[in-house]
Amino acid sequence: GDSVTQMEGPVTLSEEAFLTINCTYTATGYPSLFWYVQYPGEGLQLLLKATKADDKGSNKGFEATYRKETTSFHLEKGSVQVSDSAVYFCALGAGAGSYQLTFGKGTKLSVIP
Amino acid sequence: GAVVSQHPSWVICKSGTSVKIECRSLDFQATTMFWYRQFPKQSLMLMATSNEGSKATYEQGVEKDKFLINHASLTLSTLTVTSAHPEDSSFYICSARGAGDPYEQYFGPGTRLTVT
Repeated sequence: GDSVTQMEGPVTLSEEAFLTINCTYTATGYPSLFWYVQYPGEGLQLLLKATKADDKGSNKGFEATYRKETTSFHLEKGSVQVSDSAVYFCALGAGAGSYQLTFGKGTKLSVIP
Repeated sequence: GAVVSQHPSWVICKSGTSVKIECRSLDFQATTMFWYRQFPKQSLMLMATSNEGSKATYEQGVEKDKFLINHASLTLSTLTVTSAHPEDSSFYICSARGAGDPYEQYFGPGTRLTVT
């Protein structure tokens, strides 16, 4: 079945550091890929998405590129801020009809001043 | 826009009792709602998918008689945990999908259930 593997956390970075959170997936067909973010006390929010190979999703300074050859969708940001502290979930959507999402375990990011 | 609320945000109940969790889409009509369960340091596990006016579709291993889902309107779905046991203690999250991108789900803030 479909699955998503993302790097274990927690990740602690200093402000303005470079962020990478690795995400790889296993799926049949050509899934859509997503990054969701969960700020403390809030629900998950869609951060960015990519629907086909080589697409780059971007939002709020975060980027991720859909790499079919390596089945990866790594999240990157060049300079993190304290306000980026949250839990980040990689997810894939596959299977037309149900449009269900399969999530990774989440990576907690803490950014310190 | 696209706000989803859950009520209550946390609940404590005694073993053997039932508890109902509400999920509402506040500013859009949700054709489909999803219920997830999240264990500490674990991913979100999809429990069931419900479409307004029809029976929910449960994932393998989820007891439909224990986790009753009702999606009576386009803005409200409820999850009732019947005859709760301590092992049902968890974080329950709902999400709703509107008429736009079929993969785009809007998530509620979650409900922490503790069964004593």
